[in-house]
Amino acid sequence: DTAVSQTPKYLVTQMGNDKSIKCEQNLGHDTMYWYKQDSKKFLKIMFSYNNKELIINETVPNRFSPKSPDKAHLNLHINSLELGDSAVYFCASSPRGGDNQPQHFGDGTRLSIL
Amino acid sequence: GNSVTQMEGPVTLSEEAFLTINCTYTATGYPSLFWYVQYPGEGLQLLLKATKADDKGSNKGFEATYRKETTSFHLEKGSVQVSDSAVYFCALNSARQLTFGSGTQLTVLP
Repeated sequence: DTAVSQTPKYLVTQMGNDKSIKCEQNLGHDTMYWYKQDSKKFLKIMFSYNNKELIINETVPNRFSPKSPDKAHLNLHINSLELGDSAVYFCASSPRGGDNQPQHFGDGTRLSIL
Repeated sequence: GNSVTQMEGPVTLSEEAFLTINCTYTATGYPSLFWYVQYPGEGLQLLLKATKADDKGSNKGFEATYRKETTSFHLEKGSVQVSDSAVYFCALNSARQLTFGSGTQLTVLP
């Protein structure tokens, strides 16, 4: 009964490769997010989708492209991976409603670039 | 813009000690405030929340009160356990965008 699930949990790859991370939520939430957590645990929003529509797009290199085929899925594709992309990427979701609704997080995808 | 300033860690305490992790914020309007906890190797879990001034959020012995006059949301626990060892994040939610503090690593020793 996993609520927000991400795959893969670990991703080790070479610089220059293209990779995707998948995220699915079974909570019936309308809004999904991608966050990046760096080695110092600092968390920063990257993207947010509401019902498949992009609503937040922070200053992120255009090598990162989110795709939401339906409101239960938000995938993250990364082109031409660089060393600085090494981090933990978290997917999250939240229900419709005001800002008092908490976000539910997946367990993260640990991306390591060699 | 919005920002959250959190007490820097790491914090190391003995079991049964009193815990305070300070958090202050800057925001326009009236944000909701949250504490999230991240156990090793896991994602973030909601610990507690408060949605308006003077609200007190509480869970698992942790408490935090939304203080509008001091723009603070300090996390407290009267008696910590080894199992509370984790990273704690203060966050505010405004316009559906969560802004996180830098996180505070807590280690509780037996």
